[in-house]
Order: sequence, then structure tokens, then C-alpha cells
Amino acid sequence: EAGVTQSPTHLIKTRGQQVTLRCSPISGHTSVYWYQQALGLGLQFLLWYDEGEERNRGNFPPRFSGRQFPNYSSELNVNALELEDSALYLCASSFGQPQHFGDGTRLSIL
Amino acid sequence: QKEVEQNSGPLSVPEGAIASLNCTYSDRGSQSFFWYRQYSGKSPELIMSIYSNGDKEDGRFTAQLNKASQYVSLLIRDSQPSDSATYLCAVGGDDKIIFGKGTRLHILP
Repeated sequence: EAGVTQSPTHLIKTRGQQVTLRCSPISGHTSVYWYQQALGLGLQFLLWYDEGEERNRGNFPPRFSGRQFPNYSSELNVNALELEDSALYLCASSFGQPQHFGDGTRLSIL
Repeated sequence: QKEVEQNSGPLSVPEGAIASLNCTYSDRGSQSFFWYRQYSGKSPELIMSIYSNGDKEDGRFTAQLNKASQYVSLLIRDSQPSDSATYLCAVGGDDKIIFGKGTRLHILP
């Protein structure tokens, strides 16, 4: 069974640019979660999508947004990138609980 | 504000000894409890789930849950250098899972 897949694995952007990260959940999972993990820090909850709807949102500015598609895959969009957005972005999926994580996208802002 | 608290560590344990990791949570309505292992630069990996009071064993790992004390722990027997990682406690309710900040475990060869 394929796990959670994320793309791209690495990304380098400059301040002010926009980025889109993608996540495909485990087959049968309807929920997708996005987390930000800055270097040496804990997981910061960003967004939760379930059945195509945004269910919960963490304490992040509106320039962080996303969506979930009918096939349950998801995108995370970040506009007007700032230096502090440099982090590992993790996607997790579940059907209920627990969550299973993908390998993440490492975003570097120059 | 629902919280999950862990000692950040590092917790240093000699190889072959028992490592004991602890976690407390604030929401008495929590129903599900998880331990994840995260190696540096990698994503978290689920290693244990526990849903009812008592102990649950899986190989060298034992999860312990005490809902009355709002306390969950992870014991790692016969610690190996490969167990050196950050261990995240996660607590779930009806709506979402909350992660602790993790405990760094260092197994001393």
C-alpha cells in the first residue's frame, strides 16, 4: 500500500514569490492535514481538510491557504513568501485517526 | 486551550537500558493517544497507539495510559543507538489531534 506522497521534495524560492505544495493521501483516507516544522522546532498545525472541506485552521496568516480535491489529494499554497517560511512542510492523512505522515517538502526562502 | 506537554530533553539513556518518555495532556475528553518517532530531518513515524487505560506492548515498546491522571508514557526496553530520535506524543479528541513538542532521546553507546 502506497503511503502519503508529497511533492516536490525540495524547493528554493525568494521572498515575495508564491509556492504550491502537493499531497496525495493513503488510499481510503479522506482527511488531509498540513503542518509546518521549522528547523529544530515542533509541529505547527496549519490546515485540516476532510471530504473536500476545510475543517480547522491553525494560527497562520491568510497567505497560507489550500484546498482538497474530489480524489482527496490536497494543495497548500503560500503567497508572498517570507524568510521565516523556510521550513519542512508535512502532510498527513487519516480516516479518523491516527495520522500518517508523508516525507515532507523542504522549502528554503532566500 | 488544549495542550500536550512533554519534557524537551535531551534524555540520555545507556544502551540496553529502559528509556521512559512521559506526556501529560489537558483535555479530559481525549480519547486517543499516539507516539511518533521522528529522526532528524525526517517525518514523524507512528510507533504506538493506545485508546484505553493500562499498558499496550509492541516488541520493545510499551505505551501506558492513565486517563485519571491525564498521563501517557512510552517505555523502550533494551534501548539501541537507533532509538535516538525525537519522540512526539499526540492526543486526539472528537475534532483533532494535538501534538506535543517532543522529547529528544539520546542512547549512549
